[in-house]
Amino acid sequence: QSALTQPASVSGSPGQSITIPCTGTSSDIGFYNYVSWYQQHPGKAPKLMIYEVSNRPSGVSNRFSGSKSGNTASLTISGLQAEDEADYSCSSYTSSSTLVFGGGTKLTVL
Amino acid sequence: EVQLVESGGVVVQPGGSLRLSCAASGFTFDDYAMHWVRQAPGKGLEWVSLISWDGDSTYYADSVKGRFTISRDNSKNSLYLQMNSLRIEDTALYYCAKDIVGVGATFVDYWGQGTLVTVSS
Repeated sequence: QSALTQPASVSGSPGQSITIPCTGTSSDIGFYNYVSWYQQHPGKAPKLMIYEVSNRPSGVSNRFSGSKSGNTASLTISGLQAEDEADYSCSSYTSSSTLVFGGGTKLTVL
Repeated sequence: EVQLVESGGVVVQPGGSLRLSCAASGFTFDDYAMHWVRQAPGKGLEWVSLISWDGDSTYYADSVKGRFTISRDNSKNSLYLQMNSLRIEDTALYYCAKDIVGVGATFVDYWGQGTLVTVSS
C-alpha cells in the first residue's frame, strides 16, 4: 500500500496553467479509472475536484481538468487564480479493494 | 446537505485506546460505504479503513490492521473507529468520509471536518 507519488510543490503565475502529476502502479491508477483529486486549504477539509479521472462535480470550475496515461494521472489548472493556492492530493482505488492517496502537492500562485 | 461530524479525539498515552465517532446526516446513511482517512501534522492524507453499507465487509491499511476496528450503526446514522494499542505515529487528524457506492470503494465525495488524536506520553 505505498502512497501515490506527487511532487511536493508546484507554482505558477496568475493566468498561467499548471499540471500536477500523480504516479501509481498497475495495481491502482494503471488498472482502474477511479482516480480522484482533492483540494485542501489550510485548516480545512479536503474538497473533491475531479472524480473518475476527468469528471468535475457540480460547482467545480471548468478550469480544473484531469487525465490519465498508463500509471500516471494528472490534474491541470488553467487560468490560475489566487484562490487556487492550496494543497492538492490524488487518490485511486486499488486491487486490494482499498484507497490510496498521494503525498500531496502544495500549489503556490506567485 | 451532507454533514459528517467527527468526535472523540483526545490526547492519549502510547498503548492506550480510543473510540472515534462520526454522526452523518443529509443522506441515506445505510446506502453508502464509509471510510476513515487520517492526516498527520504537516503530512498527506492516509487511508485508514473502509466499511460496507451493511457492515459486513471491512478493510484496513496495513499500518493499523489488528489494532483498529471500524464499525457502524445504521439505526443511529453513525460510524465508529475503535483504536487500540495506539502509537505515537497514529497522531493525526482523523476524517470520516463517504464513498459513492455501498460495497467496495471508488472515491470519497464528502468529508467531515476531522477530529484530532494525539498520542503522547
